[in-house]
Amino acid sequence: EAGVAQSPRYKIIEKRQSVAFWCNPISGHATLYWYQQILGQGPKLLIQFQNNGVVDDSQLPKDRFSAERLKGVDSTLKIQPAKLEDSAVYLCASSPGLAGSADTQYFGPGTRLTVL
Amino acid sequence: GNSVTQMEGPVTLSEEAFLTINCTYTATGYPSLFWYVQYPGEGLQLLLKATKADDKGSNKGFEATYRKETTSFHLEKGSVQVSDSAVYFCALISPSNYQLIWGAGTKLIIKP
Repeated sequence: EAGVAQSPRYKIIEKRQSVAFWCNPISGHATLYWYQQILGQGPKLLIQFQNNGVVDDSQLPKDRFSAERLKGVDSTLKIQPAKLEDSAVYLCASSPGLAGSADTQYFGPGTRLTVL
Repeated sequence: GNSVTQMEGPVTLSEEAFLTINCTYTATGYPSLFWYVQYPGEGLQLLLKATKADDKGSNKGFEATYRKETTSFHLEKGSVQVSDSAVYFCALISPSNYQLIWGAGTKLIIKP
């Protein structure tokens, strides 16, 4: 079975520019997650979707970050405008069950963002 | 609150050495416990998991036992290979909000 797909793999932008990341979860997975992983740290959850609805976005900096999961499949995470501290790897993950379960999460390869 | 603490790295071993990476946790209730591995340039992969006390997760020669009495989930492997060089993350799913809580990761370097 195909894994979680993400693009692009790498992105370099200037501060104050905007950027968007795309994720295609494993087919049939109801729950989708976006994480931010800063070098040397564990991932930090930004937002969690169940189908096309937001379950948890409490750690998403909503003044600059936005995410959507139209039609409950693919998802896009956007940063506008970017700051230097946004430099990180952005990971997308999916799990088969509904939010509120202890299902295993499956991760994509990530997008490495560098903000100059 | 819920948290995961793992030993700081890097851990450097010679090939065929015995590996232990310590992981302890704090959680209310009975969390599920996980080890994920991140190879250079790749995404996170589930290595093994355990969902209840005394369960042993195992995969690719790695093992970890869910010890509720010591709130630990230490990762072990009897004989490491160069290809095991990676960053290893211990994590738990909180039974209160089902969020995945991560340790900081331990970088493992295996020398031939």
